Amino acid sequence: DQQVKQNSPSLSVQEGRISILNCDYTNSMFDYFLWYKKYPAEGPTFLISISSIKDKNEDGRFTVFLNKSAKHLSLHIVPSQPGDSAVYFCAASARSRGGTSYGKLTFGQGTILTVHP
Amino acid sequence: DSGVTQTPKHLITATGQRVTLRCSPRSGDLSVYWYQQSLDQGLQFLIQYYNGEERAKGNILERFSAQQFPDLHSELNLSSLELGDSALYFCASSARQRNTEAFFGQGTRLTVV
Repeated sequence: DQQVKQNSPSLSVQEGRISILNCDYTNSMFDYFLWYKKYPAEGPTFLISISSIKDKNEDGRFTVFLNKSAKHLSLHIVPSQPGDSAVYFCAASARSRGGTSYGKLTFGQGTILTVHP
Repeated sequence: DSGVTQTPKHLITATGQRVTLRCSPRSGDLSVYWYQQSLDQGLQFLIQYYNGEERAKGNILERFSAQQFPDLHSELNLSSLELGDSALYFCASSARQRNTEAFFGQGTRLTVV
């Protein structure tokens, strides 16, 4: 049962244009969402996060949008740069139920972003 | 550099053996997490410790165990290794117990032959 889904395995974008990465979730207990970037042979690098009490969070070129009713979040990268080429993971954290899921992050399968010069 | 240090970077061992993976969290972080990434499973949560106490548990096999020591470093012990245990094992740390970004180490690539 995949609770966090990234339905696009890959995305190709021209340098300078907008990259939009999408993520859907099914667990209504998720209340904190994160995006990570990962290069081969490295650990995931934190990009940006959003709490469920917000619908938008911005940090430089990165903006995350959260649509709770649709259980959908997206990451916008503007403008895209060749150095942004990597695998992007969305992740979610659930409100604790009996302490079993405290800080656990549930990850999507990732989307490979390629930004062409 | 995330500030999270994992050793060793690579490990090759035979089936049936036992290995220990080590993690030093970022300075000041009290929470440590372990994740497994295999080819077909993505990043899977194993276990979380906070200031020495177990806080959350994922689908961690009984053959696997972990602990967090008073100096806050953590070790993941994998025993009776099987071919299917071959994967990347990541450690992450965070300042708080939840609703906070976790910072990942470079990972330990375990190959069981």
